[in-house]
Amino acid sequence: GIQVEQSPPDLILQEGANSTLRCNFSDSVNNLQWFHQNPWGQLINLFYIPSGTKQNGRLSATTVATERYSLLYISSSQTTDSGVYFCAVEDPNTDKLIFGTGTRLQVFP
Amino acid sequence: NAGVTQTPKFQVLKTGQSMTLQCAQDMNHEYMSWYRQDPGMGLRLIHYSVGAGITDQGEVPNGYNVSRSTTEDFPLRLLSAAPSQTSVYFCASSLLADNEQFFGPGTRLTVL
Repeated sequence: GIQVEQSPPDLILQEGANSTLRCNFSDSVNNLQWFHQNPWGQLINLFYIPSGTKQNGRLSATTVATERYSLLYISSSQTTDSGVYFCAVEDPNTDKLIFGTGTRLQVFP
Repeated sequence: NAGVTQTPKFQVLKTGQSMTLQCAQDMNHEYMSWYRQDPGMGLRLIHYSVGAGITDQGEVPNGYNVSRSTTEDFPLRLLSAAPSQTSVYFCASSLLADNEQFFGPGTRLTVL
């Protein structure tokens, strides 16, 4: 099946810093989504981005499907950005969503 | 819209007990799924459904049953709980299988 790898596994930032999270996947996919799991456990969909670039406030994402990776950019980080960021890809052979193991982000004031 | 709701939020069971985790959505989504989240392992798909009356297995289906008698509800049943089923369970839904997924708040289950 498709393998999804995220890097880095852990990231510690000071408030105001920028960061880039990466998601690599091992085969062609139907779509890719980025999620944020806040410290209370809630999973929020950030981007549905099978290809191209999208922006939402301080967050943006780029997926290069032909090279099998996606990047999530967080600019001017805030303490509320803390949590775990997951990427998930849809396997075109099974229609199942496969999650990476996440990047744990901690933003300190 | 309430979105995706899950009950209960927390549950403690003894080994061998049975229970049902409830999941409901009011967005008229066809696709619903159940995941479990264990430390350091991300989310793993247990079962999913592409519409009422249709269910299928995910990555880790053993020990779990599901049914989808209505579009709105997708309960997950543990017939004989085991300590290995201690986890956080998330239900999700989307309009179709390859659309944006919406997650419920999760159920934290402990099996003693």
